[in-house]
Formats: sequence, C-alpha cells, structure tokens
Amino acid sequence: AQSVAQPEDQVNVAEGNPLTVKCTYSVSGNPYLFWYVQYPNRGLQFLLKYITGDNLVKGSYGFEAEFNKSQTSFHLKKPSALVSDSALYFCAVRGNAGNNRKLIWGLGTSLAVNP
Amino acid sequence: DGGITQSPKYLFRKEGQNVTLSCEQNLNHDAMYWYRQDPGQGLRLIYYSQIVNDFQKGDIAEGYSVSREKKESFPLTVTSAQKNPTAFYLCASSGGTSGTPSTDTQYFGPGTRLTVL
Repeated sequence: AQSVAQPEDQVNVAEGNPLTVKCTYSVSGNPYLFWYVQYPNRGLQFLLKYITGDNLVKGSYGFEAEFNKSQTSFHLKKPSALVSDSALYFCAVRGNAGNNRKLIWGLGTSLAVNP
Repeated sequence: DGGITQSPKYLFRKEGQNVTLSCEQNLNHDAMYWYRQDPGQGLRLIYYSQIVNDFQKGDIAEGYSVSREKKESFPLTVTSAQKNPTAFYLCASSGGTSGTPSTDTQYFGPGTRLTVL
C-alpha cells in the first residue's frame, strides 16, 4: 500500500538557521513527490515536485528538496529560515501505475521559525 | 490560490440541513478534487473527478455528494447524513489538456470553513 510519513509534528528553528522538514514514502514503482505549504485558514500552495532527473529539486521561496531513493525520503530544506516561513507543510506522493491522479498525503509538519 | 475559487469562505449549517459548497476553476484542468481537513488528520479525499460527467468516491465519501456537469465546476453537497461535517473543505484541480496525468500538480482553492450550529 502507498503511504507517506512526516515523522515530526512540529519543527522549531531560529531565524537564519537552516531548516529541514522530513518526509518518507512507500510506493510501488517510481514515485512522484510533492511538497505544499499552508498558511492559517488558507488553501495549500505548491512548493516543488520531483518527477525524474536531478535528485535535488529547487522550488518556490528558496525551498529545495532532495530525493533519496535508497532511503525512500524526500526531505524539504532551506538554507536560511525566515519568520514568514512559519506554516504547515505537507508532503504527498503518487505512484506511477495507471492513470490514477490521486495523491497520498502526509499528516503535515508545523514549522515555527523563531525571531 | 491560482485560478480556483471557493465560496462561501465561511458557512454555517443547522443540523439536518443540506448545504452546497461551490468550487470553480478557470485553469482548463480536467481533474478536480474535494478534500476535508481536520486538525491533526491532514487531508482526506472525499470525491474526485477526472473528466466531465464522471466522478469517483474518495476515502470518506459517506454523507457527501458531487456533480461534474461542467469542466469548470465541481460543487460538493454536504448532506444531513454526514454526522460530523464541521471542518475545513478544500477544492483542487489538476491536469491541462496536454498534461501527463500521473505527474500533474494539484492547485488548491482558498477553502470553505463549515460549522454546524
């Protein structure tokens, strides 16, 4: 069965420090992986995705993520955190079998960046 | 939030009432989705539609109904059979006419917060 795990409910970092939000997955075949961000009482905003190619994917707002096939991980990173990065982050995965467009979602990680 | 609109932003329902949440997109996307978000539970898929006049149940379809009569519109009705409807509802769409379905990015509307009085 396909699944996504975000092992940390909350991550706290100081402004200016690097941040990492973790995601691991289980899917048959090659995965398609996504990161989204949600600010309070708003819809989700797409940050980046991995489909194929370079394992390091760069996205919006200075975020990047590294696909690691051997560890089945897709951790979100940013070299220098901003207070405005404080939000809820979701990882999602889709397998590549068939024409099904459904995503499997993690439970989210709340990121708090302290000034 | 792109080209997806949801209305109303806030909705209050009395017990026993049916209510309909609107979702419209101008992105020419084939697929549309409805999710429910509760604190600590992430996103749960209610219904999705990959093409006009067709839709499939998601993981928590009981107590909900949808229609897809137009490509741009995917309204969700929360019926009186839904026992705990208070939640944040999110609509999304994906897939242009030349897109590859399995790589499509989903784009979300701003959400509707439904409260049962």
